[in-house]
Amino acid sequence: NAGVTQTPKFRILKIGQSMTLQCAQDMNHNYMYWYRQDPGMGLKLIYYSVGAGITDKGEVPNGYNVSRSTTEDFPLRLELAAPSQTSVYFCASSGLAGVSFFGPGTRLTVL
Amino acid sequence: GDSVTQMEGPVTLSEEACLTINCTYTATGYPSLFWYVQYPGEGLQLLLKATKADDKGSNKGFEATYRKETTSFHLEKGSVQVSDSAVYFCSASGNTPLVFGKGTRLSVIA
Repeated sequence: NAGVTQTPKFRILKIGQSMTLQCAQDMNHNYMYWYRQDPGMGLKLIYYSVGAGITDKGEVPNGYNVSRSTTEDFPLRLELAAPSQTSVYFCASSGLAGVSFFGPGTRLTVL
Repeated sequence: GDSVTQMEGPVTLSEEACLTINCTYTATGYPSLFWYVQYPGEGLQLLLKATKADDKGSNKGFEATYRKETTSFHLEKGSVQVSDSAVYFCSASGNTPLVFGKGTRLSVIA
């Protein structure tokens, strides 16, 4: 039981490049989330999903896209990376009990 | 929508001092309430939770009581240790996605 896994752990992008942050969970959770955490700040919700095939915007969705084709996977796509997207990205999942399990994070730098 | 407001830090305490981090919530219905902890360089992990009014969550010497009348869930510890240095997040789970407070950074010095 690996919990929530994220890849890559670190990435440096140039302005305008694109990339996909991978997230997978093996707990059969319906709910999955993407957050970003800027230095010294709290978490901001980017997108979330309540089940396969269903996604919805969070607080800061601009510049990002998601898909949820399976229960297990919830990739986050960055199109046209900008310096403002430099952050640590956390994926999380939760079941009916409401407790969220977080991945270890992806540290992204856009130069 | 649901929201959580928590005491902003940073908080610096000496070892064995008492800790209180205030947290209040706004939600429709009766959300479950959580405290998460984030150690340096790591993701968040659940510290404790409470799912209904008057429930007390506890773990690692930390406690928090779900107070419906004051819509609060304050985190307390009677004697902090250097190893408790971390960022603490209060959160609520109701009818909307889990919402978090801004986090409170705690530094405990020997």
